[in-house]
Amino acid sequence: EAGVTQFPSHSVIEKGQTVTLRCDPISGHDNLYWYRRVMGKEIKFLLHFVKESKQDESGMPNNRFLAERTGGTYSTLKVQPAELEDSGVYFCASSPQVSGANVLTFGAGSRLTVL
Amino acid sequence: AQKITQTQPGMFVQEKEAVTLDCTYDTSDPSYGLFWYKQPSSGEMIFLIYQGSYDQQNATEGRYSLNFQKARKSANLVISASQLGDSAMYFCAMREGALAGNTPLVFGKGTRLSVIA
Repeated sequence: EAGVTQFPSHSVIEKGQTVTLRCDPISGHDNLYWYRRVMGKEIKFLLHFVKESKQDESGMPNNRFLAERTGGTYSTLKVQPAELEDSGVYFCASSPQVSGANVLTFGAGSRLTVL
Repeated sequence: AQKITQTQPGMFVQEKEAVTLDCTYDTSDPSYGLFWYKQPSSGEMIFLIYQGSYDQQNATEGRYSLNFQKARKSANLVISASQLGDSAMYFCAMREGALAGNTPLVFGKGTRLSVIA
């Protein structure tokens, strides 16, 4: 079974530019999550999709961040325009329908560097 | 207030020895779940072990066990017989609310474990 795939693995952009991160969850997983780790800090929740619907977007920092999950399969997270403080590692995770412990399977992350 | 505290930024352990990674948590919800993830240099977060707040026994998964002390609100990870491949970053995380819930995971800052040959 393929795991959670994230692309790109590393992106370096200038302040003010746009970046789009992509996440392919495990096939059949309805739940898709985005998390972010800023250097030296905790991994923080950004948002949660159930299929194509946003279940919880309470962690999105501001309206420069836009997440989509068209068709309930892969998801994109766009940052526009990027700011220096957006630098960090963006993790995507997925899980099947919520039951039991609801263990999340994470991808390897997309490292974003804003210069 | 920090929900998950990992007080050890870095730890060293000799190969084949056991090591304990500390994790304390803070919640007023009687229902919660505790998780440990491993992040090797490849970057992927790997799920290791889970403990539910109502579980009577400490969770074990192979060489991993969770020393769950509910009254102290601690959920330390014990790795027995350390291997070089155990060198990685380890994150403790908690989900509050119903055990089959959808509330977000809250993570600690992590502990970097280095296994020495």
